[in-house]
Amino acid sequence: NAGVTQTPKFQVLKTGQSMTLQCAQDMNHNSMYWYRQDPGMGLRLIYYSASEGTTDKGEVPNGYNVSRLNKREFSLRLESAAPSQTSVYFCASSDTGIENQPQHFGDGTRLSIL
Amino acid sequence: AQSVTQPDIHITVSEGASLELRCNYSYGATPYLFWYVQSPGQGLQLLLKYFSGDTLVQGIKGFEAEFKRSQSSFNLRKPSVHWSDAAEYFCAVRGQGAQKLVFGQGTRLTINP
Repeated sequence: NAGVTQTPKFQVLKTGQSMTLQCAQDMNHNSMYWYRQDPGMGLRLIYYSASEGTTDKGEVPNGYNVSRLNKREFSLRLESAAPSQTSVYFCASSDTGIENQPQHFGDGTRLSIL
Repeated sequence: AQSVTQPDIHITVSEGASLELRCNYSYGATPYLFWYVQSPGQGLQLLLKYFSGDTLVQGIKGFEAEFKRSQSSFNLRKPSVHWSDAAEYFCAVRGQGAQKLVFGQGTRLTINP
């Protein structure tokens, strides 16, 4: 079972470069999420999509954009990468049509901005 | 707004010893509570969840957690840890009807042989 798949797994960028992180889920979930993980800060929500065609800001949206391409795919774009965006990025999905369902996570994208 | 505090950044226990990881939350009503585990280089895996009913919930890998409303706590326990339990553990809370999951800072668990 694939679950939530993120690509790429690793990436190094130079300051100012742009990049799109891809995420796809095969569980027919309504909702998808992007988090960043930094040491000592847990996971912080960047953006989420409650359903196909909708997106909303999370706790730390500045410097990012998202696209919910279809029900399966939710991408995260850095238009002009900055060193402060060096982090591990996680995509997650959940079936919010059924109350009480947990989020399922991908394995992460490790992004370094030089 | 809900929040989660994990007071212990790093805990070291000996293999075979018991374990308790602390989690305190802030939320006005009964929340949905979760514990996730993250092995090095991996994503987060759900250990267990609490929504309602029995306040002692059982999870995978021999873990359990107890919801204590009076203390706003949801501590994770295991009677006897194994070397493979070394990982980072995250407590998370979500309000009823809410989309967002709020995570604690995480507790890193080291196991001594």
